Amino acid sequence: SQTIHQWPATLVQPVGSPLSLECTVEGTSNPNLYWYRQAAGRGLQLLFYSVGIGQISSEVPQNLSASRPQDRQFILSSKKLLLSDSGFYLCAAGLYEQYFGPGTRLTVT
Amino acid sequence: GQQLNQSPQSMFIQEGEDVSMNCTSSSIFNTWLWYKQDPGEGPVLLIALYKAGELTSNGRLTAQFGITRKDSFLNISASIPSDVGIYFCAGQRNYGGSQGNLIFGKGTKLSVKP
Repeated sequence: SQTIHQWPATLVQPVGSPLSLECTVEGTSNPNLYWYRQAAGRGLQLLFYSVGIGQISSEVPQNLSASRPQDRQFILSSKKLLLSDSGFYLCAAGLYEQYFGPGTRLTVT
Repeated sequence: GQQLNQSPQSMFIQEGEDVSMNCTSSSIFNTWLWYKQDPGEGPVLLIALYKAGELTSNGRLTAQFGITRKDSFLNISASIPSDVGIYFCAGQRNYGGSQGNLIFGKGTKLSVKP
């Protein structure tokens, strides 16, 4: 079975600072990978998904970007954080069934 | 865009009670998934449904894929305190042979009756 790791678990960053969140997957190869954001413990918003290395699709135009430098690595980035970027960021892997990582709690101050 | 209507939004449970929640959509889905999320953690997949009419159990949890393919329900029998959390439904459609992304409901929050 696959295991999804996310790093870091929590992060407090000032407005205007850069961001890099990492997701790595074990136990499967060539997975579809996803980044979601969840506000206030409800409602998952799909941000990006990737069907392969270097292939990124954006669902919502925003201040964030994603990259997939390796088959089982997915990175969420920002050059300058906004207050509205605060939230709980979840990485998921799979196709018909998606499995989630433990999440990263981001607070922008 | 597509939406899933999940109800109820929240409910209180007493230990031993049965619980029921459902999701409906105006669109047809090919896959229905049910997740549970504990505070501060990622959602955990509980049950996956792939066929209209399918009824699947996972311990005290039972979920069904509606025959119209536009709805699904989740039942929890004889609830226990650790059932508390937020339950999400998610639906997935096929687009010309390709699997679409998951569409999530807004969640049902289960709490313990005071």
